[in-house]
Amino acid sequence: NAGVTQTPKFQVLKTGQSMTLQCAQDMNHNSMYWYRQDPGMGLRLIYYSASEGTTDKGEVPNGYNVSRLNKREFSLRLESAAPSQTSVYFCASSPTANYGYTFGSGTRLTVV
Amino acid sequence: GENVEQHPSTLSVQEGDSAVIKCTYSDSASNYFPWYKQELGKRPQLIIDIRSNVGEKKDQRIAVTLNKTAKHFSLHITETQPEDSAVYFCAASIDKMRFGAGTRLTVKP
Repeated sequence: NAGVTQTPKFQVLKTGQSMTLQCAQDMNHNSMYWYRQDPGMGLRLIYYSASEGTTDKGEVPNGYNVSRLNKREFSLRLESAAPSQTSVYFCASSPTANYGYTFGSGTRLTVV
Repeated sequence: GENVEQHPSTLSVQEGDSAVIKCTYSDSASNYFPWYKQELGKRPQLIIDIRSNVGEKKDQRIAVTLNKTAKHFSLHITETQPEDSAVYFCAASIDKMRFGAGTRLTVKP
């Protein structure tokens, strides 16, 4: 049982480049989330998908887009990367809202 | 929206002592309160959670208490061990989680 799988684990981008972070879960969870983690700021919600076919903005959605491709997969896209998007990105899933999350291993993104 | 404050930001204890981390939340509609442990370079992992219809929950050396009236909840770790050293996050949830900023716990042997 892999749980939540994120790719890539590390990425360096130049300002203005685009990329997509991939996330897949094999636990048949309905809800999926993207968080970013910055020192001293905890985990901040970027976007979430309460169920297949729905997506909603979180606390810090600017500069990002998401796609819930199917029940298993939830991708995060940076259209034009900026240095302020340098962070560690975590994908998570839960059976439904208000249940504990299972996190992926994270993507460390650096924008230069 | 929901706002979660967590204190202290750092905590250092001697092995065998107890550690307490406190969180407050702003939205009285929040009904689910999990705690996560994150070791250096690893993903956050759920260690214990509590729902709003329960005042206290215990799992071996860790316990969580909830005071809905005051809108605060706490994590208690007894008989601390060096492997308890990590960053701990509280969260409050209505339909999605809002996390506190984290507490770095160091347990000195």
